[in-house]
Amino acid sequence: DAKTTQPNSMESNEEEPVHLPCNHSTISGTDYIHWYRQLPSQGPEYVIHGLTSNVNNRMASLAIAEDRKSSTLILHRATLRDAAVYYCIQRKGQAGTALIFGKGTTLSVSS
Amino acid sequence: SAVISQKPSRDICQRGTSLTIQCQVDSQVTMMFWYRQQPGQSLTLIATANQGSEATYESGFVIDKFPISRPNLTFSTLTVSNMSPEDSSIYLCSVPTGGGDTQYFGPGTRLTVL
Repeated sequence: DAKTTQPNSMESNEEEPVHLPCNHSTISGTDYIHWYRQLPSQGPEYVIHGLTSNVNNRMASLAIAEDRKSSTLILHRATLRDAAVYYCIQRKGQAGTALIFGKGTTLSVSS
Repeated sequence: SAVISQKPSRDICQRGTSLTIQCQVDSQVTMMFWYRQQPGQSLTLIATANQGSEATYESGFVIDKFPISRPNLTFSTLTVSNMSPEDSSIYLCSVPTGGGDTQYFGPGTRLTVL
C-alpha cells in the first residue's frame, strides 16, 4: 500500500466538529481510502472507508476530493471518547490484504 | 463482526527467553495478520498467516525470530524468540471481515523485555 500524509496532531473542543485531513497523491483507480482509529490501550478499530463518493456512517463522514488525491474524515461532534490516533490508509481493492499503517494523527479533545 | 481475544494480555520477560502469544477468533477465518507496535509508534505488519500453509513474513521479519502457527481456522500463535529489550512492544493479531474489506483487531499483548 502506498503512503499517506497526515498531520501529526490536532486539537479540538468537545461538541465541535473535527476535520482530519489526509493526502494520498499516489492513489490509483482501484485504491480505497480507509480510516481506523486507536483509542488508548486498545487495538485499532474501523471508522469508515470509501472509493470515490462521500460516505457517511454512524461514527463519521468521509469526504473524498474529486481528484481523489486527498480526503477528510469528519467527526460531526467530538466527544472526549474520540481522543485517539486516527490512521488514514490507502489500500488496494483486493479483499483480505493486510492494512499497512502510517503514522496517523493524534487527536486531542478538550472539555 | 468478529471477537478476538489474545493471551497473555501483558507479560514481563527476561532477555534470551521466548514468549508465545495466542490469538483466538470467535469465527472461522482464512487469513490472520500479526502486527507489532513499538512504544509510541504505529503498527507494523509482521506476517500473514493462512491456515494450512506457511506464514508470509514482511521485510525485516524472519521465521526464526517470530515463528507462527496456524493449526485451525480460529486460532494462531506468534512466538517471540530469544527476546531482547528491543522486542518490547504491543503485539496484535487481526482478521479481515467476512467480505475482506475491513479488519478487526485483537486487544494486543503488551510485552516488556528486561
